[in-house]
Amino acid sequence: NAGVMQNPRHLVRRRGQEARLRCSPMKGHSHVYWYRQLPEEGLKFMVYLQKENIIDESGMPKERFSAEFPKEGPSILRIQQVVRGDSAAYFCASSPPGQSFNEKLFFGSGTQLSVL
Amino acid sequence: DQQVKQNSPSLSVQEGRISILNCDYTNSMFDYFLWYKKYPAEGPTFLISISSIKDKNEDGRFTVFLNKSAKHLSLHIVPSQPGDSAVYFCAASPNAGGTSYGKLTFGQGTILTVHP
Repeated sequence: NAGVMQNPRHLVRRRGQEARLRCSPMKGHSHVYWYRQLPEEGLKFMVYLQKENIIDESGMPKERFSAEFPKEGPSILRIQQVVRGDSAAYFCASSPPGQSFNEKLFFGSGTQLSVL
Repeated sequence: DQQVKQNSPSLSVQEGRISILNCDYTNSMFDYFLWYKKYPAEGPTFLISISSIKDKNEDGRFTVFLNKSAKHLSLHIVPSQPGDSAVYFCAASPNAGGTSYGKLTFGQGTILTVHP
């Protein structure tokens, strides 16, 4: 049973380019969360999605960032016109439906985004 | 505004001794607390949790203590083993009307090194 799969593991972009980060949740999981970890900081919540719905995007920057979790396929975190400050590790986590226990959150290994 | 703080960036202990990692929080709405462990190039892994209705939760070598009046929690690892060397994150969640989900607020992390 594969865990949460994120790709790519490392992504290098030049300023102004677009970055697309993909996340496939664990089998049977329908809830996806994206977190960002800046250097020397803890993980910060960005967005919570269920299939085809954004439930909570209170942690998403207002501009350039978007997320989706389509009916088929992985969840995508999209960053348009990247800037150096977007350089960070982006973690995806998933949980099964119907759970109210936070410990059921399973994290992927992350995507390290570097903006040149 | 850092609502969850881990004031010790690093901790070094001898194998077999006790490791004590500390965490403070400021938001009174938090009532569910978790510890995650993270190895390099991997995502965080759930370790242990505690609800605010308890002051202690134990799981094998790991015990979490919660002092609500002081808004302080700690993780005790006894005995410490070299394989415990990792970054430990404290995280907190509000119980929003009984429907909690994966929107966690993380501390900055403490790097634990256990020497053989």
